Amino acid sequence: AQSVTQPDIHITVSEGASLELRCNYSYGATPYLFWYVQSPGQGLQLLLKYFSGDTLVQGIKGFEAEFKRSQSSFNLRKPSVHWSDAAEYFCAVGRGQGGKLIFGQGTELSVKP
Amino acid sequence: DAGVTQSPTHLIKTRGQQVTLRCSPISGHKSVSWYQQVLGQGPQFIFQYYEKEERGRGNFPDRFSARQFPNYSSELNVNALLLGDSALYLCASSLLAGEETQYFGPGTRLLVL
Repeated sequence: AQSVTQPDIHITVSEGASLELRCNYSYGATPYLFWYVQSPGQGLQLLLKYFSGDTLVQGIKGFEAEFKRSQSSFNLRKPSVHWSDAAEYFCAVGRGQGGKLIFGQGTELSVKP
Repeated sequence: DAGVTQSPTHLIKTRGQQVTLRCSPISGHKSVSWYQQVLGQGPQFIFQYYEKEERGRGNFPDRFSARQFPNYSSELNVNALLLGDSALYLCASSLLAGEETQYFGPGTRLLVL
């Protein structure tokens, strides 16, 4: 079955500290991979995506993610977190099958001053 | 350029009623997808429409229906509302159907009493 697992429901980091959010997927083929961010009461904003090629992808707001096929993972990283990064982060996978994206449950990020 | 727009932003209905939610895609995008996001969970795929035809359907009952108009805008209809239909309904647009990045609107928050 196709699924996405974000093992950490809630993470708290100090401002200026590094961040890594985990994402593992189960999919029949190499999927297209996405990270979205959602602020309270808002829609989803695309941070970055991986379709093929270089397994380290850069996104907006200083985020990057690395695709590791052997581990079925697509972890999101940021070297120095800002207070404005506090939000909910969703990992999603798809392969163009009728437009369906499968989302993880999300990881809520809190930032301590 | 304007992003994906959705209306209304908030809606309160009672059980058994019917509701219509509206979405306008990014200019030039021909595909619209609908997702339901229950509080505390990731979005769940409902439908994708491309060129006015349904291209994908998620695991939702027949009470949920949608259509796409010649200008590529879309409506999601939900009949015989249940309390469990209370959620944030997200619309996403993409350039084409299938293997395309989806850009999300701000959502419509539906409360069923």
